[in-house]
Amino acid sequence: AQSVTQLGSHVSVSEGALVLLRCNYSSSVPPYLFWYVQYPNQGLQLLLKYTSAATLVKGINGFEAEFKKSETSFHLTKPSAHMSDAAEYFCAVSDRTGNQFYFGTGTSLTVIP
Amino acid sequence: EPEVTQTPSHQVTQMGQEVILRCVPISNHLYFYWYRQILGQKVEFLVSFYNNEISEKSEIFDDQFSVERPDGSNFTLKIRSTKLEDSAMYFCASSGKGGLYEQFFGPGTRLTVL
Repeated sequence: AQSVTQLGSHVSVSEGALVLLRCNYSSSVPPYLFWYVQYPNQGLQLLLKYTSAATLVKGINGFEAEFKKSETSFHLTKPSAHMSDAAEYFCAVSDRTGNQFYFGTGTSLTVIP
Repeated sequence: EPEVTQTPSHQVTQMGQEVILRCVPISNHLYFYWYRQILGQKVEFLVSFYNNEISEKSEIFDDQFSVERPDGSNFTLKIRSTKLEDSAMYFCASSGKGGLYEQFFGPGTRLTVL
């Protein structure tokens, strides 16, 4: 069975500050891990994905995430928040078949000017 | 840039009525998915579809639900007799291949059951 847990349903950061969104996973097999972003009234857009290559994954819009097997974590970071980063962020895990994705409950990011 | 589209954006229905939610996946994709998100809760997998048949389905996807690819472009989710608890945002997704390849999501259909 697979699952992800996102700590913090709401995160607020000041513009220019570090963004850190937490995701921990549980998987009985080596996982594929994903971060998606959802802007208001839009679908989910892939930010980045881990598929067992490099443990530090760089994505779009300056985001990156590091796969840490020892901590079963895949936290999302961005060095400097921008107002346009305000959105809902979802962590997801998949097995190697890709037939099912398991999403976290989401973290709403607010960027304060 | 190709994208997944969904219609309608918002559907209001009476309890017990049938609804069909429609999706047009990206044209060369082979794998299709439906998810739902009840307000304030996580995105939940419903079903995956490949080669004109269901690949996987969750326990949510009971006999009230069905999916169909009636032609080469549409992918539909039918709820036979809607219940109040079916009120949610329903997302369609497609991918070129499963697993390694990302799923591209549509904007969602908000279903409200009264």
